[in-house]
Amino acid sequence: ILNVEQSPQSLHVQEGDSTNFTCSFPSSNFYALHWYRWETAKSPEALFVMTLNGDEKKKGRISATLNTKEGYSYLYIKGSQPEDSATYLCAFPGNQFYFGTGTSLTVIP
Amino acid sequence: NAGVMQNPRHLVRRRGQEARLRCSPMKGHSHVYWYRQLPEEGLKFMVYLQKENIIDESGMPKERFSAEFPKEGPSILRIQQVVRGDSAAYFCASSPTGLGTEAFFGQGTRLTVV
Repeated sequence: ILNVEQSPQSLHVQEGDSTNFTCSFPSSNFYALHWYRWETAKSPEALFVMTLNGDEKKKGRISATLNTKEGYSYLYIKGSQPEDSATYLCAFPGNQFYFGTGTSLTVIP
Repeated sequence: NAGVMQNPRHLVRRRGQEARLRCSPMKGHSHVYWYRQLPEEGLKFMVYLQKENIIDESGMPKERFSAEFPKEGPSILRIQQVVRGDSAAYFCASSPTGLGTEAFFGQGTRLTVV
């Protein structure tokens, strides 16, 4: 069993604030790192698949960076909006997808 | 191209009955993963299947639970003699070529055991 950890567990920010959270994963035998966004009562939606050390990916106001040598990825949200409220999951493919427990983000209008 | 389809969306079973959950992957996807979300918890891996083969079932309880992904038709997660502790949301995801590629999730089946 691989250990994929996310922090913080939950986060409350004001609308307009920028925020970031972390996913830590084993640095050995790295293959890829996935980020998902999971809104309540919906299914997880893929945000990014990151494969290269130093990778930076962006989708609108959301971006992610990857450090495979030290085993972490950051997800950044610039100018948070209420519709960004969701749980953000990272997943590390090994023999299966190992999911972190997620960071629950609430953006307060 | 329809997304991953799971049915039923909601399933109520009495203790001791059987529950069958279906997952139709996206067209062209031959890899299916099943996850369970217990109340107040995150996604927990159950089983990973590729057409007609179970690749990894390390997350699936050894008793009462089974999964299949036949050559034709949807993947089925079967829970025999359900107990209250089986009440959870069950999600499946599919991908075209395995773990390095993006996985797409279905809407989930919410199982309630009464």
